Amino acid sequence: DVKVTQSSRYLVKRTGEKVFLECVQDMDHENMFWYRQDPGLGLRLIYFSYDVKMKEKGDIPEGYSVSREKKERFSLILESASTNQTSMYLCASSFGRQSSNQPQHFGDGTRLSIL
Amino acid sequence: GQQVMQIPQYQHVQEGEDFTTYCNSSTTLSNIQWYKQRPGGHPVFLIQLVKSGEVKKQKRLTFQFGEAKKNSSLHITATQTTDVGTYFCAGPSFLMNRDDKIIFGKGTRLHILP
Repeated sequence: DVKVTQSSRYLVKRTGEKVFLECVQDMDHENMFWYRQDPGLGLRLIYFSYDVKMKEKGDIPEGYSVSREKKERFSLILESASTNQTSMYLCASSFGRQSSNQPQHFGDGTRLSIL
Repeated sequence: GQQVMQIPQYQHVQEGEDFTTYCNSSTTLSNIQWYKQRPGGHPVFLIQLVKSGEVKKQKRLTFQFGEAKKNSSLHITATQTTDVGTYFCAGPSFLMNRDDKIIFGKGTRLHILP
């Protein structure tokens, strides 16, 4: 079974802090994704990566950056956390070059609160 | 931009009743995926439909892809408490002529009344 592991289930940070969310997958998947999930808004794509050191903006990249130095690890960075970034963050991975044809495997999520 | 719309947003049904959620795209889709997210859990892939008019079944769940490949439905027969959760559809979004990501609908939250 594919395992996507997110470093924290719950995280509380303060406004202005730099926040790192880590995600590791163990299936050698090419593609990795970061989403945020808010009530009534569904899953919104922040950033994704289809190869090491490659990244593409999703629908809501403002205030975020990402890093993919190794194939198995995809990090989401909140450069200066703000209260409107309080949310559930989900990492996902998928196999292959044409990611939209492949199922995505999700981690358990990190519920981030910014005070 | 491209959108994937799901209706209804919420559905309450009595246990044993049927349930259907609908997904509509503003553009033709090469495929559509369905996911289920249990309360407190993460989305889990259920199925992918690729062919026009395709129908697939998983026990009490029936998935259908429209003839024009712009809509899809998920029907659950005789709902059980284990069906509680949010059901998402997802379709491809094109980035510079490549299929690089998928767009999720906002989901239908199913609540079962005992």
